[in-house]
Amino acid sequence: GESVGLHLPTLSVQEGDNSIINCAYSNSASDYFIWYKQESGKGPQFIIDIRSNMDKRQGQRVTVLLNKTVKHLSLQIAATQPGDSAVYFCAASAPTGSARQLTFGSGTQLTVLP
Amino acid sequence: KAGVTQTPRYLIKTRGQQVTLSCSPISGHRSVSWYQQTPGQGLQFLFEYFSETQRNKGNFPGRFSGRQFSNSRSEMNVSTLELGDSALYLCASRDSYNEQFFGPGTRLTVL
Repeated sequence: GESVGLHLPTLSVQEGDNSIINCAYSNSASDYFIWYKQESGKGPQFIIDIRSNMDKRQGQRVTVLLNKTVKHLSLQIAATQPGDSAVYFCAASAPTGSARQLTFGSGTQLTVLP
Repeated sequence: KAGVTQTPRYLIKTRGQQVTLSCSPISGHRSVSWYQQTPGQGLQFLFEYFSETQRNKGNFPGRFSGRQFSNSRSEMNVSTLELGDSALYLCASRDSYNEQFFGPGTRLTVL
């Protein structure tokens, strides 16, 4: 089955620096990928997504890069702020019959240092 | 639009009991998915309902069940609770094919 893993369980960065969170997936049929942010006591919040026909997508201060050859994606956060401190999950979506299944990575705890 | 709501937010049960959790999706969303989140296993997919039908199911025992009503509201039930069922249960709804919006979750503690 699909497995989605994150390279580091924790990441600490200085305020103002850029953050990079990496993720690997196993199912080559995965064609849609999402990054979520989860703050303490809240449900995951959608940050940005990317389809498999793209290799880069930019949002506000965030960029997702997709490398289908090695089944890897990354989330880059520019000028990291204290409010960015949270757990970040990647998720891979693949078709399963008439439905789709979303498989989540285990999460990376991002801590922004003052 | 109001977001996904889940009730109750916190629940404490004892082993062997059963529990029912409720989820109200965003208005107009017909798909509701349920997830279990634990520190050790992360986010794991339980099942998805669309137009009152279970469309997809994860690898959980039959003690975990769900249903969806005609107004798209969904409930999940866990029978014969075990200590390992302690988790944050998240509900997510979506309108388009992929993007999901999560609720705040129900924190279940089994003693």
